Amino acid sequence: KAGVTQTPRYLIKTRGQQVTLSCSPISGHRSVSWYQQTPGQGLQFLFEYFSETQRNKGNFPGRFSGRQFSNSRSEMNVSTLELGDSALYLCASSLGLAGRSTDTQYFGPGTRLTVL
Amino acid sequence: AQSVAQPEDQVNVAEGNPLTVKCTYSVSGNPYLFWYVQYPNRGLQFLLKYITGDNLVKGSYGFEAEFNKSQTSFHLKKPSALVSDSALYFCATPNAGGTSYGKLTFGQGTILTVHP
Repeated sequence: KAGVTQTPRYLIKTRGQQVTLSCSPISGHRSVSWYQQTPGQGLQFLFEYFSETQRNKGNFPGRFSGRQFSNSRSEMNVSTLELGDSALYLCASSLGLAGRSTDTQYFGPGTRLTVL
Repeated sequence: AQSVAQPEDQVNVAEGNPLTVKCTYSVSGNPYLFWYVQYPNRGLQFLLKYITGDNLVKGSYGFEAEFNKSQTSFHLKKPSALVSDSALYFCATPNAGGTSYGKLTFGQGTILTVHP
């Protein structure tokens, strides 16, 4: 099976702009989670989508949003970019069945976002 | 708060020697624990997980982990380290309390360096 793919791999934006990142999960996986990775804060959970519905959300401002399509592909959007948004953004997919927090999450290669 | 901790920021080991990367946990209920590895400019790769059953869990690339309930630990081990094992290792748990759909809580990571 093909793994999780993320596009683009690298992005450079300036403050105030907005950005959209894309994630295609492993075939058959219906759950997509997003994480932000920075040297200072480590790996932090952004949100999770399952069957086009957001089921869980981390402690990030409303500038961070996401959505999921009927084919399970997901996008996340960051509006009004700030310097502190520079990070590696990772998505992960899993089966995501109800009550199955033990399902393994498989990660994509990430999108490296640099905000100037 | 439900969490995992990695007490060592860095671990250095000679090639051919056994390696251990430490993780301790603080969760209520049955602990579910994962190990991931991250190579430079890459996403996270799943190594193994503990759900229930045997305290010794075998995973990918010759890695194994020992679950110890009395010490609340889940240390990652390998009998003979390779230079190619040099990477950043994360311990994680989905036991976030409350709504935990799709959310992994990660330790701060341990940089493993294997010297030739």
